[in-house]
Amino acid sequence: SAVISQKPSRDICQRGTSLTIQCQVDSQVTMMFWYRQQPGQSLTLIATANQGSEATYESGFVIDKFPISRPNLTFSTLTVSNMSPEDSSIYLCSVEERAGNTIYFGEGSWLTVV
Amino acid sequence: AQSVTQPDIHITVSEGASLELRCNYSYGATPYLFWYVQSPGQGLQLLLKYFSGDTLVQGIKGFEAEFKRSQSSFNLRKPSVHWSDAAEYFCAVEPGGYNKLIFGAGTRLAVHP
Repeated sequence: SAVISQKPSRDICQRGTSLTIQCQVDSQVTMMFWYRQQPGQSLTLIATANQGSEATYESGFVIDKFPISRPNLTFSTLTVSNMSPEDSSIYLCSVEERAGNTIYFGEGSWLTVV
Repeated sequence: AQSVTQPDIHITVSEGASLELRCNYSYGATPYLFWYVQSPGQGLQLLLKYFSGDTLVQGIKGFEAEFKRSQSSFNLRKPSVHWSDAAEYFCAVEPGGYNKLIFGAGTRLAVHP
């Protein structure tokens, strides 16, 4: 299975600032995704990171708040902009491994906004 | 709309007891089905998946799940629970062809010694 590394693993951020989360995969993958898990909640898909084009956002998520980059087939970033305490969540990168038609997750980035 | 229901928010079992976690989905066709586990402070680990074929699938850590089309269910089972199984378990579906997972609310499992 693909090995997915996320940075940072944890951070405490000041209200109004922005933070960029990096996701690195050890193999080329077609599909990369970003999910959010709010405290005590399940996971919600933020967007699909498309290589070479703009990300595809799910309902309720916008590019201005969550800009995403996907410069190549092994790397993506998610920025959480102008953070508020409501953005305190775990942000998880995931990839689809085409060979097994399976979606794997990174360890997550745990953000606390104060 | 597609949805996933995990009716049990919390379950407590004794170590060595059997376990069944329920999952029901709402979707017109048979989606791809997954179970993930999230240990405290960890990311998600894939336990098992069902795409087609044999309706009883085996996963890691001694878990298995059975797909029942007539009940739109994909329940997770383990014959003998270990203390290390204490975690949150998520059922997820991928409506065919869209590569997006829809998650249930999760079931938090506590294991008593």
